[in-house]
Amino acid sequence: QVQLVQSGAEVKEPGASVKVSCEASGYSFNYYAIHWVRQAPGQRLEWMGWINAGNANTKYSENFQGRVTFIRVSASTAYMELSSLRSEDTAVYYCARGFEHAGGFDFWGQGALVTVSS
Amino acid sequence: QSALTQPASVSGSPGQSITISCTGTSSDIGSYNLVSWYQQLPGKAPKLMISEVNKRPSGVSDRFSGSKSGNTASLTISGLQAEDEGDYYCCSYAGSGNWVFGGGTKLTVL
Repeated sequence: QVQLVQSGAEVKEPGASVKVSCEASGYSFNYYAIHWVRQAPGQRLEWMGWINAGNANTKYSENFQGRVTFIRVSASTAYMELSSLRSEDTAVYYCARGFEHAGGFDFWGQGALVTVSS
Repeated sequence: QSALTQPASVSGSPGQSITISCTGTSSDIGSYNLVSWYQQLPGKAPKLMISEVNKRPSGVSDRFSGSKSGNTASLTISGLQAEDEGDYYCCSYAGSGNWVFGGGTKLTVL
């Protein structure tokens, strides 16, 4: 069965960087994109961008341009790195399977809580 | 890219039908049949309920249906059940590889 398993919770100081991993199983990883979505406490879902797991092409939301990087590190794992962290980046970060510009996000990771605090 | 507009809350009694609207622009909802809907229960990851305006993934109840007219998409839940209570988000493709979510709607089953 399709599964996306993310890394655990992180606590970071302002100005630091954080990496969140997303390990996929149960499907052909290269055939899909991995989207990243975050949700601040009590707030809405916010789309961050995607990485094509086949050719590693990326698209970043303009809201995160220059601060976020998506990396395909293996045949089943992708990473999201967010730099220059500030308190407003405290959120649950999700990875989700989808396509670049088709369909919907049909499988989601369990989420990784990133807390930014001094 | 501005968030899509959803009502903050809707409510209904068991057995009733409710509709959640999602309003965008001619650059997102109005241009693409790529609207999806997600259910999020407290403390859980979102779950895909509808993709591409009106397609139901395997395993999703046929009580859930989607539609679109112009720049507005809608999610209808018929035969409301207590287990449907949660937050619902719409999402649309916005061109050039971009996607945008709505502000979310809290559904209360009375």
